[in-house]
Amino acid sequence: KQEVTQIPAALSVPEGENLVLNCSFTDSAIYNLQWFRQDPGKGLTSLLLIQSSQREQTSGRLNASLDKSSGRSTLYIAASQPGDSATYLCAVRGDRGSTLGRLYFGRGTQLTVWP
Amino acid sequence: NAGVTQTPKFQVLKTGQSMTLQCAQDMNHNSMYWYRQDPGMGLRLIYYSASEGTTDKGEVPNGYNVSRLNKREFSLRLESAAPSQTSVYFCASTGLAGGNEQFFGPGTRLTVL
Repeated sequence: KQEVTQIPAALSVPEGENLVLNCSFTDSAIYNLQWFRQDPGKGLTSLLLIQSSQREQTSGRLNASLDKSSGRSTLYIAASQPGDSATYLCAVRGDRGSTLGRLYFGRGTQLTVWP
Repeated sequence: NAGVTQTPKFQVLKTGQSMTLQCAQDMNHNSMYWYRQDPGMGLRLIYYSASEGTTDKGEVPNGYNVSRLNKREFSLRLESAAPSQTSVYFCASTGLAGGNEQFFGPGTRLTVL
């Protein structure tokens, strides 16, 4: 069964820092990997989607990388701002058998950026 | 486009009551999903529908039923609510285009007393 782990569980940084959130998964047979943001009491907002054949994706100050063979992804946030405070979730989509089409989620990294 | 919509936003039930959570998407997506989110447990898949007319169990299907009414709508029913079903429920959908990105609704906060 696919297991997704996110480290650290919580992170508190001053404004302006560059930071890295980590995600690892146990089964490399994935179709894609998606990073989400969740604000307290809200739904999930998709940030970046990386297909299994891709190495990275960028959107503004966000850059996500994928190393499928080692089962790892990182989300890099440049020049962090207080508005970046939220929980960041990593999810992988299976590509075969009973995992086809299903997303498996990590438990998230709760980020606080203080002024 | 409204994306993925869910009703109701909040609901309080007594043990043993039944209710249906509604979900609709206007993106012409084939696949739809129901998840629950609990503190310390993350998001867990309850049921999913890969295409209109099909439904499959996820990780935690016990106590729930689903109906894929048409391509747009996917409902989740609690026949006899239990306190263990107190949670936040999210509906999501995925299409074949756009790299199979998954989009989520705003959630339904359910409390079972």
